[in-house]
Amino acid sequence: EPEVTQTPSHQVTQMGQEVILRCVPISNHLYFYWYRQILGQKVEFLVSFYNNEISEKSEIFDDQFSVERPDGSNFTLKIRSTKLEDSAMYFCATQAGTVYNEQFFGPGTRLTVL
Amino acid sequence: GENVEQHPSTLSVQEGDSAVIKCTYSDSASNYFPWYKQELGKRPQLIIDIRSNVGEKKDQRIAVTLNKTAKHFSLHITETQPEDSAVYFCAAGWWNDYKLSFGAGTTVTVRA
Repeated sequence: EPEVTQTPSHQVTQMGQEVILRCVPISNHLYFYWYRQILGQKVEFLVSFYNNEISEKSEIFDDQFSVERPDGSNFTLKIRSTKLEDSAMYFCATQAGTVYNEQFFGPGTRLTVL
Repeated sequence: GENVEQHPSTLSVQEGDSAVIKCTYSDSASNYFPWYKQELGKRPQLIIDIRSNVGEKKDQRIAVTLNKTAKHFSLHITETQPEDSAVYFCAAGWWNDYKLSFGAGTTVTVRA
């Protein structure tokens, strides 16, 4: 069964550094999402992406965050200048595109900002 | 925006007993309600979902009920087994906006 993959599985960075988290969606999926989960807390929506543009973003997704599909397959989340509070598990999720279709989650990238 | 509340935060049941998790949502426009199971260190995985045009859905030992008037939905797990131990998240979404709003999660422990 196809799965969403994410790299790296764990990223440790210094405060103020840029990080790029990568996701490979399931091949025929059209809708892409980033969520984050701070340890012990709920999964929070960050951004949705469709047709090469952002569909919606949450209040968390400020100017320090950006997303893109640089090569038409990988879906990336960039944090330009990381803060301590960015430490979390970041999940990519993808969806085929039909209303009510399941969102498939990747295994996550654990980001630790020191 | 949508706000999803989930209770209880932890639930311990004896193997073979039933487990019930309840969620409420705030936005009456929400019309899609999935439940995800997340085992320790793993990705959330969909276990069942329900749309607003039905009141109940069942899949083997798992069932979900939806009360649109009261804006709440519940997950029922019958004949619990040790492998049911995990964190369960409810979520709400709607057709014109595919993002999901998640509840805080329920840690279910099934005692052998």
